[in-house]
Amino acid sequence: AQSVAQPEDQVNVAEGNPLTVKCTYSVSGNPYLFWYVQYPNRGLQFLLKYITGDNLVKGSYGFEAEFNKSQTSFHLKKPSALVSDSALYFCAVRDGLMGFNKFYFGSGTKLNVKP
Amino acid sequence: EAGVAQSPRYKIIEKRQSVAFWCNPISGHATLYWYQQILGQGPKLLIQFQNNGVVDDSQLPKDRFSAERLKGVDSTLKIQPAKLEDSAVYLCASSLVRGPSGNTIYFGEGSWLTVV
Repeated sequence: AQSVAQPEDQVNVAEGNPLTVKCTYSVSGNPYLFWYVQYPNRGLQFLLKYITGDNLVKGSYGFEAEFNKSQTSFHLKKPSALVSDSALYFCAVRDGLMGFNKFYFGSGTKLNVKP
Repeated sequence: EAGVAQSPRYKIIEKRQSVAFWCNPISGHATLYWYQQILGQGPKLLIQFQNNGVVDDSQLPKDRFSAERLKGVDSTLKIQPAKLEDSAVYLCASSLVRGPSGNTIYFGEGSWLTVV
């Protein structure tokens, strides 16, 4: 079965420092991987996705993610964190083996960026 | 392009009462999803429609939850009777069926339910 794991419940970083939010995955077949962000009292907002091609994927708000097949990881990164990046981040994987899309989400990582 | 629309945004009900949530997906999106997100957890799929047919409802508590998608567009999720543990955010999402953009799921703002 497809699954993703986010090993950190919370990540704390100072504004201006680089940030990394970790995600590992388990899939059958080629992985389709996603990152979403959730601000307080809001729905999940799409950030970026990896389907195929370049292992470094760039997304919204200056975020990027690095796909590593040997380590089965898809970590979210940003070179310089902003206080406004503080939110809940979810990693997700798509399963298309049943002939229709199914998405599995991690448990989420709370990112705190301190001024 | 308009996003996924949901209503109501917030609802407080007493246990054993009923509640209904409405969702309008992104225009042209054939696949519609209802997720339940309990505070501090990731979204859990309740039911998934492709057009007006159900493709997955394995985690829907069918003794109290029901959902329909008449005419393959709007959808309604109903809870009757509600329990305290149903307090959660109910997220509606949609996606295309196939193609590069069909691999991405888009969410609405959520319907926040508190059962007291």
